[in-house]
Amino acid sequence: QKEVEQDPGPLSVPEGAIVSLNCTYSNSAFQYFMWYRQYSRKGPELLMYTYSSGNKEDGRFTAQVDKSSKYISLFIRDSQPSDSATYLCAMIEWGFQKLVFGTGTRLLVSP
Amino acid sequence: GAGVSQSPRYKVTKRGQDVTLRCDPISSHATLYWYQQALGQGPEFLTYFNYEAQPDKSGLPSDRFSAERPEGSISTLTIQRTEQRDSAMYRCASSSKFGATETQYFGPGTRLLVL
Repeated sequence: QKEVEQDPGPLSVPEGAIVSLNCTYSNSAFQYFMWYRQYSRKGPELLMYTYSSGNKEDGRFTAQVDKSSKYISLFIRDSQPSDSATYLCAMIEWGFQKLVFGTGTRLLVSP
Repeated sequence: GAGVSQSPRYKVTKRGQDVTLRCDPISSHATLYWYQQALGQGPEFLTYFNYEAQPDKSGLPSDRFSAERPEGSISTLTIQRTEQRDSAMYRCASSSKFGATETQYFGPGTRLLVL
């Protein structure tokens, strides 16, 4: 079993929809949780990161962490065709430098 | 530089050959990471450098893989006696400082195909 599980999708939604992307993990030592966006043929770019449990909002994006359930989410409001990409969750333990990524979920937003 | 650059962008080699991949991090970035990304998967950590030091190489799949960063800037990843299972995208990332929460900036990757 992988340390971080993520549904690969694809997830297809119409423009304007609210998108929910999720990851589960097994390592309770993970302290920092990140979401990366990866466009086709590009490297991942950091969208948001959160520390421990709670919510963090940045524009149309909200990241949520529930450490008791070992579950993290990324919500995208008013989704746009330009949001079409692969979204990767990533996690790291305190004191370590090793990022552990999920498989990535491919999101397709149709106009 | 403006971003992380990697070369070559594509490399096709025959099984058994050695290959060397290069990463040029963002100028003055202290920390540099190497990842392997298989098709349809997330990046998997290989190793990282803090300047010239290589504190963690636990992700290197075998002793055929090695990495260097002799002057604390450019880094190379060498795969000796390549095997078909080494075919993947190899990504480099850099961050300005050492630390778990420092943003890692990824390069475009080198796609390696071993025939």
